[in-house]
Amino acid sequence: NAGVTQTPKFQVLKTGQSMTLQCAQDMNHEYMSWYRQDPGMGLRLIHYSVGAGITDQGEVPNGYNVSRSTTEDFPLRLLSAAPSQTSVYFCASSYSDIAGNTIYFGEGSWLTVV
Amino acid sequence: AQSVSQHNHHVILSEAASLELGCNYSYGGTVNLFWYVQYPGQHLQLLLKYFSGDPLVKGIKGFEAEFIKSKFSFNLRKPSVQWSDTAEYFCAVNVRNTDKLIFGTGTRLQVFP
Repeated sequence: NAGVTQTPKFQVLKTGQSMTLQCAQDMNHEYMSWYRQDPGMGLRLIHYSVGAGITDQGEVPNGYNVSRSTTEDFPLRLLSAAPSQTSVYFCASSYSDIAGNTIYFGEGSWLTVV
Repeated sequence: AQSVSQHNHHVILSEAASLELGCNYSYGGTVNLFWYVQYPGQHLQLLLKYFSGDPLVKGIKGFEAEFIKSKFSFNLRKPSVQWSDTAEYFCAVNVRNTDKLIFGTGTRLQVFP
């Protein structure tokens, strides 16, 4: 199993450019999410999805869009990049069973906006 | 709203020293608790988790954590750290029967030989 796959791993954008961070999982998990990691602030939830066709906002959704057309894919779009969006982005997927919720993270995408 | 507090932002230890990293959460209901580790330049990895049962949970690499419900705490411990434990450690809370995972701000651990 590949697990959770994120691309690209590194990206530099100019202010105002748009881009999409791709995330795919092959574990048939219903729940997927995007986090950003900033020094001293830990991981903050951007958007999440509880299944295909369903998305919702997390703690810091402004400036980001998501869609979930399939169970496998959960892309994160920056429509007009700003320097404040320089961060490390992690995609995650998870499943719930009677014992609880187990979460798998991608390897991260390092984004710099200049 | 639920929140997770990690009061130790930066911890510096010598090898063989004992480690305890604090984690407190604010939520009165049933929770699942996690510790994740992020080694330099790498992604998050699950260290250990508590869902139910014995409040003393043992994880990988000699780490353990104790869930104390009355104190809303889930502190991470290791009796003797190694240089390879240098990493950032994140505590996280998942409210039972929801899908959200709330993270603390992380504790950076540096271990010197």
